Amino acid sequence: EPEVTQTPSHQVTQMGQEVILRCVPISNHLYFYWYRQILGQKVEFLVSFYNNEISEKSEIFDDQFSVERPDGSNFTLKIRSTKLEDSAMYFCASRWGTNEQFFGPGTRLTVL
Amino acid sequence: QKEVEQNSGPLSVPEGAIASLNCTYSDRGSQSFFWYRQYSGKSPELIMSIYSNGDKEDGRFTAQLNKASQYVSLLIRDSQPSDSATYLCAVNMNNDMRFGAGTRLTVKP
Repeated sequence: EPEVTQTPSHQVTQMGQEVILRCVPISNHLYFYWYRQILGQKVEFLVSFYNNEISEKSEIFDDQFSVERPDGSNFTLKIRSTKLEDSAMYFCASRWGTNEQFFGPGTRLTVL
Repeated sequence: QKEVEQNSGPLSVPEGAIASLNCTYSDRGSQSFFWYRQYSGKSPELIMSIYSNGDKEDGRFTAQLNKASQYVSLLIRDSQPSDSATYLCAVNMNNDMRFGAGTRLTVKP
C-alpha cells in the first residue's frame, strides 16, 4: 500500500541553524501539506502546496519557512535560523482529488 | 478565528462498550470533516471522512454530521483495548485543515 515517507525521523540542530525536512508524497497525489505538532499540543496546519505553488499558509508559516518541490517526488520544508520553539514533530501529508489527507510518520525536530 | 473544539478527555470506557466522541467547529462554510486516530508518538491515521449530513458507517465506526449545529461525532462500537488512542477531529476550511486538540480514549479490558 502506498504511503507518505519522511526523512530524517529525528533531526537535532543548534539554534540559528537551517534545517531541511524531506517528504516523499504518495506518487499520484497532487496536493501536499506540512503540519507541526508541538509536544502535547494539537496538530497545526502550516502550508498547502499545489501545482508548484503555495495555495494556503497559516500565520505560523512566516518568512522563516519555505517549501519546495525540487523534483517529481520530493517535497521539502526548510526552516531558516531555527529557534527553540521550532522544536516539534513535523508531518507531511498528501492527497489526490478527494479531501482525504494521508500523513507521513513525521520528523521530530529538536532545537538546542 | 477558525476553531475546532473537542473535549480533551480522558474518556474511559470498558471493553465492548460504545465510545462517543464529539466535536464542534466554527466555520459554517466547512464542507469536509474527518476523524483521525493518533497513537502516542505516531502520526495521525485517517479513520473516517464525512461530507453530508447524517450518519456514515464503516465497520465499528460511525461518523455523524449536523452542519446546522456545526457538530460532528464519532461512535466506536464494541470498543477494544487497541482503540485506546487520541482521536482528532479535523475540518477542512478553505484548503487548509484545522484540527481539534483531540480526545484521549482509554478502553479498559
